[in-house]
Amino acid sequence: GNSVTQMEGPVTLSEEAFLTINCTYTATGYPSLFWYVQYPGEGLQLLLKATKADDKGSNKGFEATYRKETTSFHLEKGSVQVSDSAVYFCALRRNNAGNMLTFGGGTRLMVKP
Amino acid sequence: NAGVTQTPKFQVLKTGQSMTLQCAQDMNHNSMYWYRQDPGMGLRLIYYSASEGTTDKGEVPNGYNVSRLNKREFSLRLESAAPSQTSVYFCASFYDTHTGELFFGEGSRLTVL
Repeated sequence: GNSVTQMEGPVTLSEEAFLTINCTYTATGYPSLFWYVQYPGEGLQLLLKATKADDKGSNKGFEATYRKETTSFHLEKGSVQVSDSAVYFCALRRNNAGNMLTFGGGTRLMVKP
Repeated sequence: NAGVTQTPKFQVLKTGQSMTLQCAQDMNHNSMYWYRQDPGMGLRLIYYSASEGTTDKGEVPNGYNVSRLNKREFSLRLESAAPSQTSVYFCASFYDTHTGELFFGEGSRLTVL
């Protein structure tokens, strides 16, 4: 079946540090991949997505590249801010399988001034 | 634009009590979903409704029932609450099949004593 594995948190960084949150997946076929972000007290919001191999999704300084050969979709940001403190979820949607997403366990990021 | 609205935001129940979580979206989306969020486990799909008049089980449906009252509203009912159902519940609706973006409500925190 489908599954998504993320690095366990919390990840604690100083402001302006480089961020990587690892995400690997297991799925049949060629899924679409997503990163969602959950700020404190809120629901999840789409951060970025990639729908095919070698695509790079980007938004708000965050990037992730769909790597089929390593079944990975790692999230990166060159310089984090305190306002980036949130929980980040990697997710996949298997194409031609309805509209359902499978989520990873989430990684909490804490950025200190 | 309200988006996805959930009520109540907080609820405390005793074991065996029943309650209904309400969800409404004003974006004219066809698909709606109920997820539960537990620490370290990400979001798990309870039930979903691909269109008005249809509902299907997700990954963890036991102990829950749903009703798709109309295109806007999708409710989740706990007939006899158990401590294992203590969780944060999120309702979501689907934007379109191409982008794969889910829109989430702010969540409902349920505690079962």
